Amino acid sequence: GAVVSQHPSWVICKSGTSVKIECRSLDFQATTMFWYRQFPKQSLMLMATSNEGSKATYEQGVEKDKFLINHASLTLSTLTVTSAHPEDSSFYICSARGQRSGANVLTFGAGSRLTVL
Amino acid sequence: AQSVTQLDSQVPVFEEAPVELRCNYSSSVSVYLFWYVQYPNQGLQLLLKYLSGSTLVKGINGFEAEFNKSQTSFHLRKPSVHISDTAEYFCAVIRRSGGYNKLIFGAGTRLAVHP
Repeated sequence: GAVVSQHPSWVICKSGTSVKIECRSLDFQATTMFWYRQFPKQSLMLMATSNEGSKATYEQGVEKDKFLINHASLTLSTLTVTSAHPEDSSFYICSARGQRSGANVLTFGAGSRLTVL
Repeated sequence: AQSVTQLDSQVPVFEEAPVELRCNYSSSVSVYLFWYVQYPNQGLQLLLKYLSGSTLVKGINGFEAEFNKSQTSFHLRKPSVHISDTAEYFCAVIRRSGGYNKLIFGAGTRLAVHP
């Protein structure tokens, strides 16, 4: 079945630094990828949608300059949290939709936990 | 308007008892409905989905859900739960926005199975 890998699974960084999280579709080509953010004991909030080779579309209230999303190939999307601050500490989860899967079927990564000190 | 509402934030239940986790969706969204499970510090696993066809949907781990259009509900059920079912459960719905089909999640229900 379709597999999505996220790396790193856990990252700790100092305030003011930037952190990059990778999301890879391992056995399929992902035409569209979605990035979600989850605070402790809360639901997943959609941050942005990205299509390979085009700019990401951000949800209302999400700072595009803070959360840089790049979808340079059909198997890789990256989320860079720039100048991270403690309030950016969260669980970030990506999901991918493949060319062969139905339009409404997503595969989720295992998530990346970011802790900003 | 809220696209999907999970009525219970926590559901405690004893092992081997039946359980129902409630989910209602807004009539303004599509009727593509999903239930996901999330174990601690892990990503999401799809339990089941309703896209069309039979209103009773069977999923993995013995779960099933029934799509009820008149009540705009998609409640998740299991006749006999195990300790290992303790997890967070999310109901989700597809919403068309900005040219994309986006998966929007409910607030989640914490299922706690006690021995």
